[in-house]
Amino acid sequence: GAVVSQHPSRVICKSGTSVKIECRSLDFQATTMFWYRQFPKKSLMLMATSNEGSKATYEQGVEKDKFLINHASLTLSTLTVTSAHPEDSSFYICSARGGRASGRGEQFFGPGTRLTVL
Amino acid sequence: GQQLNQSPQSMFIQEGEDVSMNCTSSSIFNTWLWYKQDPGEGPVLLIALYKAGELTSNGRLTAQFGITRKDSFLNISASIPSDVGIYFCAGRDTGNQFYFGTGTSLTVIP
Repeated sequence: GAVVSQHPSRVICKSGTSVKIECRSLDFQATTMFWYRQFPKKSLMLMATSNEGSKATYEQGVEKDKFLINHASLTLSTLTVTSAHPEDSSFYICSARGGRASGRGEQFFGPGTRLTVL
Repeated sequence: GQQLNQSPQSMFIQEGEDVSMNCTSSSIFNTWLWYKQDPGEGPVLLIALYKAGELTSNGRLTAQFGITRKDSFLNISASIPSDVGIYFCAGRDTGNQFYFGTGTSLTVIP
């Protein structure tokens, strides 16, 4: 149990375009989902926390208009990188928490999405 | 937000050796978690700890929740090449905030 999927796993886009990344909890209901960004050989940097049906809470320094997060259901959250630029290239990872699998607060991570902006 | 201090930052060891890494926080935690991340993948939960002094094993991995509730340790015995990866500690404080460690990169030399 506690499987989280992400789609796409890898995306290459042109500068100025928008990219949507989906995060799904496959076998549990995720009351909370988290979006992280990770640079090579670095730790995960929390970007935002989203609770189902409410607006996401963004960490300091993260532009909410650039990184749009929608958590429309208990099994799906999306991150849209708007008007992407090369500096947005990174590894984006989501995690989910909720249900029996996260009875004590564990987060379960998706496999990540590698975004490359040309 | 707070980031947990994890050490060592990287380790290069011979296959068969034991490995130890630790994580410290500036505040009291209610939960400590240890994850492993393979290159290009998301972190995978290895061990979860829920109370001070708790010692939990998962195969060759053993982790402990420090008595002070401000630290945790992960040990890997008899390392093998597939243990290579980045290990992250994570924890949840009394305010239910979740924090990640800075990571320990492990290289196992056959």
